Amino acid sequence: SQTIHQWPATLVQPVGSPLSLECTVEGTSNPNLYWYRQAAGRGLQLLFYSVGIGQISSEVPQNLSASRPQDRQFILSSKKLLLSDSGFYLCAWSVRGIGNQPQHFGDGTRLSIL
Amino acid sequence: QKEVEQDPGPLSVPEGAIVSLNCTYSNSAFQYFMWYRQYSRKGPELLMYTYSSGNKEDGRFTAQVDKSSKYISLFIRDSQPSDSATYLCAMSAKAGTALIFGKGTTLSVSS
Repeated sequence: SQTIHQWPATLVQPVGSPLSLECTVEGTSNPNLYWYRQAAGRGLQLLFYSVGIGQISSEVPQNLSASRPQDRQFILSSKKLLLSDSGFYLCAWSVRGIGNQPQHFGDGTRLSIL
Repeated sequence: QKEVEQDPGPLSVPEGAIVSLNCTYSNSAFQYFMWYRQYSRKGPELLMYTYSSGNKEDGRFTAQVDKSSKYISLFIRDSQPSDSATYLCAMSAKAGTALIFGKGTTLSVSS
């Protein structure tokens, strides 16, 4: 069966520090990968998605970037965190294929910026 | 008008009640519909996935899609305290387009 791992679960960072969140998927090949941010009362906001290694699409211009160095690895980064980057970050995957396959989420990283 | 609207609740029901959760949407191109359950401090978990109109049943859960009214529902029969969570609807148009999520409805089932 397929599993998705995100780490760390919780992170507290000072303003201006760098960020690296990692997500890996097991049990499937060539998945579509996604990064979302979930803010209280604002729903899920798609940040980035990827259909293959090195292929990243950005949905929202901001202080963050994403990379996909391996087929099942997706990394969310920032060079300098802002207070507004606080939130719950979720990674998701879906099968690449016919139709619009449902997305499956990891358990997220709760990021607090001080 | 927002693309997907979902009443945030909270919705409080006694154990054993039938729960109805709903979303409305404005984009007539949506044809893939999903319901997710999210427990506190966890990621959303896929509950139901339907394509186009109609009903789908899985155990105590039934998903309904009415494309003519741009309205989807999730029914939970014999609700349990373990059903207490936030329920998110999500939908998308053709393959390769983004999922659009509702903001979620918080449900509390008391024993």
